[in-house]
This record gives sequence, structure tokens and C-alpha cells, in this order.
Amino acid sequence: DTGVSQDPRHKITKRGQNVTFRCDPISEHNRLYWYRQTLGQGPEFLTYFQNEAQLEKSRLLSDRFSAERPKGSFSTLEIQRTEQGDSAMYLCASSPRTRPNEQFFGPGTRLTVL
Amino acid sequence: LAKTTQPISMDSYEGQEVNITCSHNNIATNDYITWYQQFPSQGPRFIIQGYKTKVTNEVASLFIPADRKSSTLSLPRVSLSDTAVYYCLVVGLISSGSARQLTFGSGTQLTVLP
Repeated sequence: DTGVSQDPRHKITKRGQNVTFRCDPISEHNRLYWYRQTLGQGPEFLTYFQNEAQLEKSRLLSDRFSAERPKGSFSTLEIQRTEQGDSAMYLCASSPRTRPNEQFFGPGTRLTVL
Repeated sequence: LAKTTQPISMDSYEGQEVNITCSHNNIATNDYITWYQQFPSQGPRFIIQGYKTKVTNEVASLFIPADRKSSTLSLPRVSLSDTAVYYCLVVGLISSGSARQLTFGSGTQLTVLP
């Protein structure tokens, strides 16, 4: 399968804990995006990488959120000191160099903060 | 940033053509218009993108008037499986190295009835 994969699919954590999500984009897609989606709302853009460079991170919700893509392949999104308001679906997408606006989304990671 | 506005919901019957319009009054010169489909518990799926006039692919058509302040997604002969949320998204030129508008609106819930 050559789709975008995300791990884990579900995460339950207690308030105050740190969580890390992984995204594996489609091979050779140079752009990678992270979004958050809450129930009944559209995806909310968080950050964007072109290869290993993080070109847009102003939309990250707070300094508790950080993302990396160290080798320009997979990416991680970390949330420190989780809060109940962080409960949401976290989506990753990638797009190819030749069609940068055509994003391919993964299945998402559902985070529940108790 | 281009803000998008769509109808919250639409109903249609199988076999009919469905047109969903999105308003994006402050679209910038270099912005593209993209549309996505999302089923429950899945990531969005790219449908079509356009810049001006009309674009058609195997699943949909996209009509964009000359002023580009709105766009209309046209789905021919819908079936029950087309029941989903449809989002328009205005995207700045990603190749510029800076992600501009990458925020989805609340989307349009399309329900196809038998």
C-alpha cells in the first residue's frame, strides 16, 4: 500500500502527559502537512514541511505543540502537557512535487485526553 | 487570508446532479481552489482543483467565474455512496515556499437519498 499512514490510530492519555504521533507520507512526496480536526469542523492547519524544512509553523496551537521531519521522510507531532481541549483527530497529509496542491490524507490519529 | 463559506447541508436524490457553491470573496491572485470529500472517520480525499473557468475530471467538474470570488463543485448523477462532507479550500501557491491559506471551512454535508 502506498498511502499515507499514521500511528497510532487511537491514543488515550491522561491530562499532563506528553504524546507523540507519527506520519509516514507517500514515498517521494516532498510536502507534508499536519492538521487537527474536531467533531463537526473542517481540518485546521497546524504546520507544513517541504522536505525536512518546516516552512510554516505559525498555526501551531501553542508552544506545547511541535513537529519534526528530520530526514525529509516521516514526521512526528508532539504535544506536551496535554489538556482535555487537545482531544481531536490529528491528520497528516502529503503532496507530490508535481502537484503540490493535491494533498493525500492519512486515516488520522484520534487523541482522547482524560 | 481567503475565508470560505459553504452551505451547511444539502439533500439530493440518486441520479441527480448536485452543485455545491463556495464563496471566497478575498481570494488572492495566486490562490488555487481545491475541493475535498470526507467520509466519517476517514481523512479527506482530494476531488479536484482549479484556478479559473472550468475544470473536469472523471468524478466532478469545477466552475469558477471570472472574478473567482466563488466556485461550484458539480457532481453528476450522484449515488448513495456520495453521501459525505464536501470542503472547498483556497490554497496559496505552495511552491512559493510558504503555506498561506490551508484552512478548511466547515464543509457541506451532502445527503443522497434513494
